Amino acid sequence: DIQMTQSPSSLSASVGDRVTITCRASQSINNYLNWYQQKPGKAPKLLIYAASSLQSGVPSRFSGSGSGTDFTLTISSLHPEDFATYYCQQSYNTPQTFGQGTQVEI
Amino acid sequence: QVTLRESGPALVKPTQTLTLTCTFSGFSLSTHGMCVSWIRQSPGKALEWLARIDWDDAKYYRTSLKTGLTISKDTSKNQVVLTMTNVDPVDTATYYCARVPSYGSGNYFDFWGQGTLVTVSS
Repeated sequence: DIQMTQSPSSLSASVGDRVTITCRASQSINNYLNWYQQKPGKAPKLLIYAASSLQSGVPSRFSGSGSGTDFTLTISSLHPEDFATYYCQQSYNTPQTFGQGTQVEI
Repeated sequence: QVTLRESGPALVKPTQTLTLTCTFSGFSLSTHGMCVSWIRQSPGKALEWLARIDWDDAKYYRTSLKTGLTISKDTSKNQVVLTMTNVDPVDTATYYCARVPSYGSGNYFDFWGQGTLVTVSS
């Protein structure tokens, strides 16, 4: 199975901060990397697919980059509603695997 | 409008078989490139992909699980069913189904159900 490792596991930030979360795959996954946001008690929400494509309806302050094994999710200016847990996920092969999550706290 | 909803028992005993149903609307699983996956999340843990069924009835499973998985679809009813045999307390989790449009060789989970919490306990 491809292992997905996110860093950091958690971070504290303030409204307006620029936040960067990284995700590393244990082998090359080309650009088959997706990012999700999850709030407590809710289902995950797709933010970015194919490493850098913004899902419809997602604010432009979210962006993704990377290819191969190293990927980044960036929130350019943190809004109050962005405090949540973020997961990366590879769709290069099955079993599709997720990172362990990054909790963004106030 | 795309919606998915999971249904099934809230409590199952160890060694029993768990059957979960995903009922969806707003898309057809007979459309080329469309798929549905099951994903679960144990309390306080990360997400774990379990299985996927494609428009052409191709099926994919997480084979490392001790419990046996079977996924099937009823296109006429807009339903996908996941069966898990010989469940264990470690299978206690919130189970989600999600729509999976595929593009080229990749895919993503763009719409999710609200999830259903299943507890495995005697």
